[in-house]
Amino acid sequence: GAVVSQHPSRVICKSGTSVKIECRSLDFQATTMFWYRQFPKQSLMLMATSNEGSKATYEQGVEKDKFLINHASLTLSTLTVTSAHPEDSSFYICSAREGPGLGDTEAFFGQGTRLTVV
Amino acid sequence: GDSVTQMEGPVTLSEEAFLTINCTYTATGYPSLFWYVQYPGEGLQLLLKATKADDKGSNKGFEATYRKETTSFHLEKGSVQVSDSAVYFCALTLYGNNRLAFGKGNQVVVIP
Repeated sequence: GAVVSQHPSRVICKSGTSVKIECRSLDFQATTMFWYRQFPKQSLMLMATSNEGSKATYEQGVEKDKFLINHASLTLSTLTVTSAHPEDSSFYICSAREGPGLGDTEAFFGQGTRLTVV
Repeated sequence: GDSVTQMEGPVTLSEEAFLTINCTYTATGYPSLFWYVQYPGEGLQLLLKATKADDKGSNKGFEATYRKETTSFHLEKGSVQVSDSAVYFCALTLYGNNRLAFGKGNQVVVIP
């Protein structure tokens, strides 16, 4: 299957600083990328949908000014957690679909990023 | 809204035992259904899928049948191995909709 690479896999940052997480589709063009947050023993919660060249669509309750998403090319989307606080500590996962993303098209997932804010 | 419900709690079983993980869904239309697996330290991988009622998805000895009458997509494997230890997520999406809705996931631990 197609490969989605997420970097870094782990990051520790100080409270108040910003952290950028990258998500790359290595062997396909991802028109649409998704960012999820996963709490311990919980499901993946969709944070936002990112379309190449346009503004991301955020889910209800997700602060767009805190979680900045940029999808500048068909192979790269970034999530920046701004002014991070300990409650932002979580596992963040990106995924990507080839093409327009019809309902039965497989989504490929990155390895995830464990963010710890101290 | 569209949602997926998985049985509560981790599943611990012995090697070669039979595995069942229950999944039921609520959807306004006719969803496609998926099982994803997350091995330790890795991202989610698609395990199998079914796109219409009565379809059976299968992969690596795992099977799940799309049951519209019971709105279920239970995952089964006849004889598990230690290497099957992972977290399993049931998910759905509606045709024409990019979004995947996930269940909470089930940790499966297979003991030698």
